[in-house]
Amino acid sequence: TQLLEQSPQFLSIQEGENLTVYCNSSSVFSSLQWYRQEPGEGPVLLVTVVTGGEVKKLKRLTFQFGDARKDSSLHITAAQPGDTGLYLCAGGFSGAGSYQLTFGKGTKLSVIP
Amino acid sequence: DSGVTQTPKHLITATGQRVTLRCSPRSGDLSVYWYQQSLDQGLQFLIQYYNGEERAKGNILERFSAQQFPDLHSELNLSSLELGDSALYFCASSLSTGGERTGELFFGEGSRLTVL
Repeated sequence: TQLLEQSPQFLSIQEGENLTVYCNSSSVFSSLQWYRQEPGEGPVLLVTVVTGGEVKKLKRLTFQFGDARKDSSLHITAAQPGDTGLYLCAGGFSGAGSYQLTFGKGTKLSVIP
Repeated sequence: DSGVTQTPKHLITATGQRVTLRCSPRSGDLSVYWYQQSLDQGLQFLIQYYNGEERAKGNILERFSAQQFPDLHSELNLSSLELGDSALYFCASSLSTGGERTGELFFGEGSRLTVL
């Protein structure tokens, strides 16, 4: 069973601060996706990383896939209230004739104005 | 708006009852996935269908079943409901079979089930 652990579970910061959230596993994944979920809505894909060591930037968000493809991090610079939400990482792997995603439990981020 | 439609949005029922959740995928998407989200377990994969056929099974209980119809909409049937089945149930769709490493899942807004 591929398990993903996310930390911290909860994070409350002031507007303008920087933060990093982590996604760790003992399993190797073929890809790693980050989703953001807002209350009352389904998760929305932010980014997919597939190569060990890969770094992708999306405006103030920087995503990194670990060299061994077992972990990932999401760094937000100068957080804004609009960044508030549940951040989920999802590891991709091949199994049972299909490509599967296993999700972490998420980091709930609150950015206070 | 992801283009994935789920009904009903909220459902309250009693233990022992049976409910059906419905999902219409994005236009053109052939794969439908069902997930269960609870506070303690996070997003748990239940089952995937591709073009009408079951493709993969996750942590789906025997009391639960699903199907995908020729028009590609899908239904998740939950029976003999227990208190612990209370959760958000999400449907997601994608174009591919799930065989691509970079495939994106598009999620609906979920159906919140409360079992009393």
